[in-house]
Amino acid sequence: AQKITQTQPGMFVQEKEAVTLDCTYDTSDQSYGLFWYKQPSSGEMIFLIYQGSYDEQNATEGRYSLNFQKARKSANLVISASQLGDSAMYFCAMSPRGATSGTYKYIFGTGTRLKVLA
Amino acid sequence: DSGVTQTPKHLITATGQRVTLRCSPRSGDLSVYWYQQSLDQGLQFLIQYYNGEERAKGNILERFSAQQFPDLHSELNLSSLELGDSALYFCASSVGQGTGYTFGSGTRLTVV
Repeated sequence: AQKITQTQPGMFVQEKEAVTLDCTYDTSDQSYGLFWYKQPSSGEMIFLIYQGSYDEQNATEGRYSLNFQKARKSANLVISASQLGDSAMYFCAMSPRGATSGTYKYIFGTGTRLKVLA
Repeated sequence: DSGVTQTPKHLITATGQRVTLRCSPRSGDLSVYWYQQSLDQGLQFLIQYYNGEERAKGNILERFSAQQFPDLHSELNLSSLELGDSALYFCASSVGQGTGYTFGSGTRLTVV
């Protein structure tokens, strides 16, 4: 069965330091996408970063990078130089390839609540 | 503003009632996805529509139904509501996999 596991229910990090949020996945698909989303207390879901299973380079978007280790089936999110505004819930998600084009339903992990300390 | 519009933002209703949640996707996006986020179940995929047709179905109850109209907006209908249906309901749209979904701000449903 396809599954996303986030083992850290909560994390603390000091402002300006880097933090790694763990994500492991389980799939038998060869082609899939991995995503991270941020959900602040206001509730909206904000797309952060995407990694395709065939991408050889780790994805980066500003202060966010995705540490993709395919053999270990892990897709950890690294946030550099943490800011107070980074305090939020973070979700890892996987999109298996659908049977037909245009089907990209996501499987989400349970999330990690990050608190950045001043 | 993400470009995906969900209305209403908040809804309080009684058990047994029926509600309709509305979603307008981002301009140019043909796919609309509905998700339910509850405390005990996390984020669960409900259903996807692509250009007016149902494309994929997840853990959607029979009391729930959805459709996508010719102008691509979508509605999620929830009937015979139970206390356990209280959740945040998200709509998302996409044009392709590489860019990820764009989520709406959600509709918070409270069933009392």
